[in-house]
Amino acid sequence: AQSVTQLDSQVPVFEEAPVELRCNYSSSVSVYLFWYVQYPNQGLQLLLKYLSGSTLVKSINGFEAEFNKSQTSFHLRKPSVHISDTAEYFCAVSDLTGSRLTFGEGTQLTVNP
Amino acid sequence: EAGVTQFPSHSVIEKGQTVTLRCDPISGHDNLYWYRRVMGKEIKFLLHFVKESKQDESGMPNNRFLAERTGGTYSTLKVQPAELEDSGVYFCASSQDLVGTDTFFGQGTRLTVV
Repeated sequence: AQSVTQLDSQVPVFEEAPVELRCNYSSSVSVYLFWYVQYPNQGLQLLLKYLSGSTLVKSINGFEAEFNKSQTSFHLRKPSVHISDTAEYFCAVSDLTGSRLTFGEGTQLTVNP
Repeated sequence: EAGVTQFPSHSVIEKGQTVTLRCDPISGHDNLYWYRRVMGKEIKFLLHFVKESKQDESGMPNNRFLAERTGGTYSTLKVQPAELEDSGVYFCASSQDLVGTDTFFGQGTRLTVV
C-alpha cells in the first residue's frame, strides 16, 4: 500500500515569486510519481510524471519536480509563478503496474498580483 | 478527440434517494476508473474496470454503491439509497494501457446529499 502526504494545504504567493509544493510518499514497493493540477471549474490534468530515468522532470509550462528516493519526496517547483497558475495541485503515486493512483490531499496554490 | 465526459456535473438529492452518475471514457481506452473526493480530503480510488470486467473494486465504500460498464464502453455508478456521507466529487478517469501511459480525468460530478 502507498500513502502520499502534501505538507501544505494552502500556499499563497505573489506573482513572479518562486514556489515549492511539497510531497512525500510512503510505499513498500517501487512507485511511479505524478503531479496533477485542477484549475477552477475544470477536471484534473496531468502536469508531469516520473516513471524512470532522469530524476528531474519538467512540464511544458515551467514546473519541474525532482524524485528523491532517499527522502521519498517529489516536490514541485516553479521559479516564477503567474496568476494563471492559481489552482489546486495533487501529488499522486502508483505501483509499477500503473493502475490505481493514490493521491495526497491537495495543495491550493493562490498567486496574487 | 473528446476527453472523459461525466454527467451530470452537479446533482442534489435527498437522503434515501437514488442517483446514477455516468462516465464516457476516451474512445479506445480499456481502463476506466472511479475516484471520489469527500469534503476537501484526498481523492480516493473506488474501482477499476478493464473493458467490462471489474479488475479491482476494493475501494467501494459499501454495497449501496454499484458500478457497471456495459459492453466495455460507458460506465455508470449508482448510489442507492444515498446517505449524507456520500456527498463529494466523483471523478471518472480512463487510460489506454497501464504502465507508462497517461490517465485522463473527467471534470467530476459534484454530488450533494441533503
